[in-house]
Amino acid sequence: DTAVSQTPKYLVTQMGNDKSIKCEQNLGHDTMYWYKQDSKKFLKIMFSYNNKELIINETVPNRFSPKSPDKAHLNLHINSLELGDSAVYFCASSRAGGNQPQHFGDGTRLSIL
Amino acid sequence: KQEVTQIPAALSVPEGENLVLNCSFTDSAIYNLQWFRQDPGKGLTSLLLIQSSQREQTSGRLNASLDKSSGRSTLYIAASQPGDSATYLCAVRDTGNQFYFGTGTSLTVIP
Repeated sequence: DTAVSQTPKYLVTQMGNDKSIKCEQNLGHDTMYWYKQDSKKFLKIMFSYNNKELIINETVPNRFSPKSPDKAHLNLHINSLELGDSAVYFCASSRAGGNQPQHFGDGTRLSIL
Repeated sequence: KQEVTQIPAALSVPEGENLVLNCSFTDSAIYNLQWFRQDPGKGLTSLLLIQSSQREQTSGRLNASLDKSSGRSTLYIAASQPGDSATYLCAVRDTGNQFYFGTGTSLTVIP
């Protein structure tokens, strides 16, 4: 009965590959997010998305793209992986409205060889 | 551009002590400020969210304050317990729907 679940938990792959990370939430939330946490533990938002609006952090390379098949899922697709993409990626969700707390998944640790 | 700073980076206290964690931000035009805890290998757990019109929020032993004009927030933890050991992060949401996180304070409560 995990609220926000991400798969896989660990992902090891080679530079240049294309990979996807899946995220599902069973909280009935309207908004989902992707974050990147680097090796220094600094957390940075990448995207926030609901069925009306996608907000992209301008610093995110266009190799990263969110894909949402339905309200409960927001997958992260990454093309042409680079060494600098190694990080922990967190998915989160919240109810609509700006003052709603976010609920986080446990993260996906991506390692690029 | 908004910058969020947390001091100290690490803190170690004996069990039972009251403690204060600090968060400062450079742009006072915020929508809200949220405090999270992160346990090793886990995601973030939301502790308290303070809207821009509010000055404080309380939940159990936790109290968070917000002073927008000075760009500061504090998280007060009363009667600390070993289970409080974690990294505490503050995050600012601006009016443009962007989020900015501090680098966190790693708290260790010694039994």
